[in-house]
Amino acid sequence: GAVVSQHPSWVICKSGTSVKIECRSLDFQATTMFWYRQFPKQSLMLMATSNEGSKATYEQGVEKDKFLINHASLTLSTLTVTSAHPEDSSFYICSARSGRASNEQFFGPGTRLTVL
Amino acid sequence: GENVEQHPSTLSVQEGDSAVIKCTYSDSASNYFPWYKQELGKRPQLIIDIRSNVGEKKDQRIAVTLNKTAKHFSLHITETQPEDSAVYFCAASQGAAGNKLTFGGGTRVLVKP
Repeated sequence: GAVVSQHPSWVICKSGTSVKIECRSLDFQATTMFWYRQFPKQSLMLMATSNEGSKATYEQGVEKDKFLINHASLTLSTLTVTSAHPEDSSFYICSARSGRASNEQFFGPGTRLTVL
Repeated sequence: GENVEQHPSTLSVQEGDSAVIKCTYSDSASNYFPWYKQELGKRPQLIIDIRSNVGEKKDQRIAVTLNKTAKHFSLHITETQPEDSAVYFCAASQGAAGNKLTFGGGTRVLVKP
């Protein structure tokens, strides 16, 4: 149980275009989903916390107009990187928490974004 | 906010030896401390976690200890095997802050056969 999927697993796009990444909890309802960014050989940095049916909470320094997050259902959250630039190239990973009483987060397989 | 420091950044051990990774955290309200193993290009995998009401937890070759007073926790891997080679991350979270995790910088572990 507790499987989280992401789509796509990798994407290459041109500078200036937008890219949407989906995060799905396959066998549980995720009240909260988290979006992380991981640069090569670095740690996971939390970008935002997404709660179903409400606006996402962004970490300091993360532009909410550039990284649009939608959590429309208990099994799906999306991250849209708008007007992508080469510096946005990174590994984006989502995680999901199954309930308010649960600490454990289940991670998706990640999406490698390359912006040319 | 929470700050998690992790040491060492790289660790090379001989197969069969033990590996120890240490983390310190800054926020005394943190009460959940998971450890993740991440292989190249893959998702982080939870290997063990500990809550603040427990001082030690063990699962086969892996153990974690927590010192709440000193605000540090450690991962111990005994009888290391080549498949233990990966990057390990510690993290800390507190229920009051939406359960968000703050990660340490990671430790790259290499187990030499």
